[in-house]
Amino acid sequence: QVQLVQSGVDVKKPGASVKVSCKASGYSFTNYGISWVRQAPGQGLEWMGWISANNGNTNYAQKFQGRVTITTDTSTTTAYMELRRLRSDDTAFYYCARSPPVVNRVDYWGQGTLVTVSS
Amino acid sequence: QSALTQPASVSGSPGQSITISCTGTSSDVGAYNYVSWYQQHPGKAPKLMAYDVTERPSGVSNRFSGSKSGSTASLTISGLQAGDEATYYCSSYTTGSTLVFGGGTKLTVL
Repeated sequence: QVQLVQSGVDVKKPGASVKVSCKASGYSFTNYGISWVRQAPGQGLEWMGWISANNGNTNYAQKFQGRVTITTDTSTTTAYMELRRLRSDDTAFYYCARSPPVVNRVDYWGQGTLVTVSS
Repeated sequence: QSALTQPASVSGSPGQSITISCTGTSSDVGAYNYVSWYQQHPGKAPKLMAYDVTERPSGVSNRFSGSKSGSTASLTISGLQAGDEATYYCSSYTTGSTLVFGGGTKLTVL
């Protein structure tokens, strides 16, 4: 069965960077992409960006351009999301989710990783 | 890219039907038949309930059905059950090759 298992809770100071991992299993990793979606406490879902696990092509939401980098390691079927210059309003659950080669939806989701930004 | 517009809340009694709307623009909902719906219970990850406007993933009840007219998509839940109480989000592919979500609709089963 498709599984996406994310790294654990992280606490960062303002201005720092965070890197969240997402280990995929149960499907052919390079036939799909991985999206990253965040959800601030009590708020809605926000799509951050996507990577093709086949060729490494990426596409980011304009809001996060220049501050986020999504990568994959096909040898370990793991995706990563790095967010830089953290602010307190980046405190949120960060989810990885599988997307088709065209990011027209997300289907399977990771369990989420809480990132807290606090001084 | 602005979020898609959903009502903040809807409610219904067990057995009834409810419909949740999701309004976008000609750059997202109106441009493609790539609208999806997700159910999220408190403290849980979202779950895909419908995709490509009308398609249901394997295992999702046929009580959940999607439709679209112009730049507005809808999710109808028939035969409401207590377990349907959750927050529902829509998403759409955009002309910028990105994905955009709606703000979410909290469904209360009375």
